[in-house]
Amino acid sequence: DGGITQSPKYLFRKEGQNVTLSCEQNLNHDAMYWYRQDPGQGLRLIYYSQIVNDFQKGDIAEGYSVSREKKESFPLTVTSAQKNPTAFYLCASSSSPGTGGNQPQHFGDGTRLSIL
Amino acid sequence: ILNVEQSPQSLHVQEGDSTNFTCSFPSSNFYALHWYRWETAKSPEALFVMTLNGDEKKKGRISATLNTKEGYSYLYIKGSQPEDSATYLCAFNSGDDKIIFGKGTRLHILP
Repeated sequence: DGGITQSPKYLFRKEGQNVTLSCEQNLNHDAMYWYRQDPGQGLRLIYYSQIVNDFQKGDIAEGYSVSREKKESFPLTVTSAQKNPTAFYLCASSSSPGTGGNQPQHFGDGTRLSIL
Repeated sequence: ILNVEQSPQSLHVQEGDSTNFTCSFPSSNFYALHWYRWETAKSPEALFVMTLNGDEKKKGRISATLNTKEGYSYLYIKGSQPEDSATYLCAFNSGDDKIIFGKGTRLHILP
């Protein structure tokens, strides 16, 4: 089945550590996105990529980094510079370039990151 | 700063009753409005993408309308069922690189 796979489902990070969240899609979508959700908040855009080897900062990119070496993969690294990393992280993809367009976004199941 | 507001935040509806809730968004620079359903322990699922003023879309018992001139969209659920319990998200796109999500309306269907 086509879809988006995020791993792991739960992740724990020690203070000062970098951690990487995986996102893989087999939908042949050009665009991929990372969102963060905090309690009582809407989804906030961290980074997005419209094509391979290119990505753009979203609204809350500080303390995060991404890469887009393959069309199928868009890993997110939460660095030690992110002071409040505890949150739920969602990855999405869409077939239209840009962060919205007139095509729906397809989401993974999410990764919950907690600080030890 | 672009803002997308959804109301109410939370809603309890008796099974079998119909209900609706609102998404408000900027009325300028409109490109697309998305609705998603997010059930607990699942990923958000796209319901509708609406692009034209006056658009009405329907999927089973769920429908949505769009007014881009005044900046609002309504989502309607007819004859609510337990499986309709979820958080409903709307998202606004102005044609640039930003998509702005609302905080969602959390719908609880009471048996």
